[in-house]
Amino acid sequence: ELKVEQNPLFLSMQEGKNYTIYCNYSTTSDRLYWYRQDPGKSLESLFVLLSNGAVKQEGRLMASLDTKARLSTLHITAAVHDLSATYFCAVDSNNAGNMLTFGGGTRLMVKP
Amino acid sequence: SAVISQKPSRDICQRGTSLTIQCQVDSQVTMMFWYRQQPGQSLTLIATANQGSEATYESGFVIDKFPISRPNLTFSTLTVSNMSPEDSSIYLCSVVGQGARYTFGSGTRLTVV
Repeated sequence: ELKVEQNPLFLSMQEGKNYTIYCNYSTTSDRLYWYRQDPGKSLESLFVLLSNGAVKQEGRLMASLDTKARLSTLHITAAVHDLSATYFCAVDSNNAGNMLTFGGGTRLMVKP
Repeated sequence: SAVISQKPSRDICQRGTSLTIQCQVDSQVTMMFWYRQQPGQSLTLIATANQGSEATYESGFVIDKFPISRPNLTFSTLTVSNMSPEDSSIYLCSVVGQGARYTFGSGTRLTVV
């Protein structure tokens, strides 16, 4: 059974600081996804990582994938309040467009 | 990316009743996925719905409680049956499209009283 673990589960940080969210998964996969969820809202796709070594950046967020270590990171640079949300990583369980298994989520609060 | 219209967006229901949630996709897709997100929790897959065949349910979810229909390649419904307060959650449908990108519906926030 595929397990996806995120840490930390909760992160409170000051504006302007940098931090990294980690996503570990238990079985071979080279499809990893990052999503953002605002309270009461659906999921917003942030990044789709489809190969080992993939790195993608959008604004203050950068995601990377190491399939050998079964690890993805979401790095936040110079955080701003608007980044406050819950972030989920998810893994495609068999690289065939099937179900996603989600991590537990990281609730990020950026304080002014 | 596919666009999904999900409704209702929210509902408050009496225990013992049933609610049917609909998802309409703007393109044909082979598989549709239904997820549940309990308050403060992550997303858990309920079932995968293929057109023309029975849905495949994940461990802990049964067809009698969560019947699914998939009459064509653009539409699916999930019914939450005989509801109890423990069914209060957000329910989301999802499809996978080009570029291995998954799209999610806007979600149905269900409160059972």
